[in-house]
Amino acid sequence: QKEVEQDPGPLSVPEGAIVSLNCTYSNSAFQYFMWYRQYSRKGPELLMYTYSSGNKEDGRFTAQVDKSSKYISLFIRDSQPSDSATYLCAMSEALNAGGTSYGKLTFGQGTILTVHP
Amino acid sequence: EAGVAQSPRYKIIEKRQSVAFWCNPISGHATLYWYQQILGQGPKLLIQFQNNGVVDDSQLPKDRFSAERLKGVDSTLKIQPAKLEDSAVYLCASSKNNEQFFGPGTRLTVL
Repeated sequence: QKEVEQDPGPLSVPEGAIVSLNCTYSNSAFQYFMWYRQYSRKGPELLMYTYSSGNKEDGRFTAQVDKSSKYISLFIRDSQPSDSATYLCAMSEALNAGGTSYGKLTFGQGTILTVHP
Repeated sequence: EAGVAQSPRYKIIEKRQSVAFWCNPISGHATLYWYQQILGQGPKLLIQFQNNGVVDDSQLPKDRFSAERLKGVDSTLKIQPAKLEDSAVYLCASSKNNEQFFGPGTRLTVL
């Protein structure tokens, strides 16, 4: 069993739709949860990160973490064609008790999203 | 601020040949990472440097892969000899305070 499982999709939605992307994980020591966006032939770029459980909102993007279920989600509202990319979840353990520093990232396999006009 | 630079962007070699990739991190970033991203998969960490010292190389196939970061700035990753299964995108990332910034990657095809 992989440490991080992500539904690879692909996912195709019309412009304006709400998109839900999900990952499950098995390592209960993970404390940092991130979502990266990767355009074709580019490196991943950090979209959002969350420390421990809870929700975080940034514009049209909302990240949710449910540590009891070992499940994280990224929601994209009012999706746009420019959101078409591969979305990668990534997780890490905290390196210190205060949780201000994290270790190596373990990525999911990525979900390919296409938003068509 | 300039991003992480990598070269070459593309490389095609035959199996058993050698290849080297170069990475120039963002200025002032002490931590540098090399990842391997096989098509359809997420990046997998190969090696992590803190300045010019190795922090984690547990997933680096040391019989054929080597990496160095002389003077704590630029880094090179070498594969010798290459195998077909090494075909992948090799990503370099750097960080100062946790957040990792990725370069565009080098796409390696081994024939």
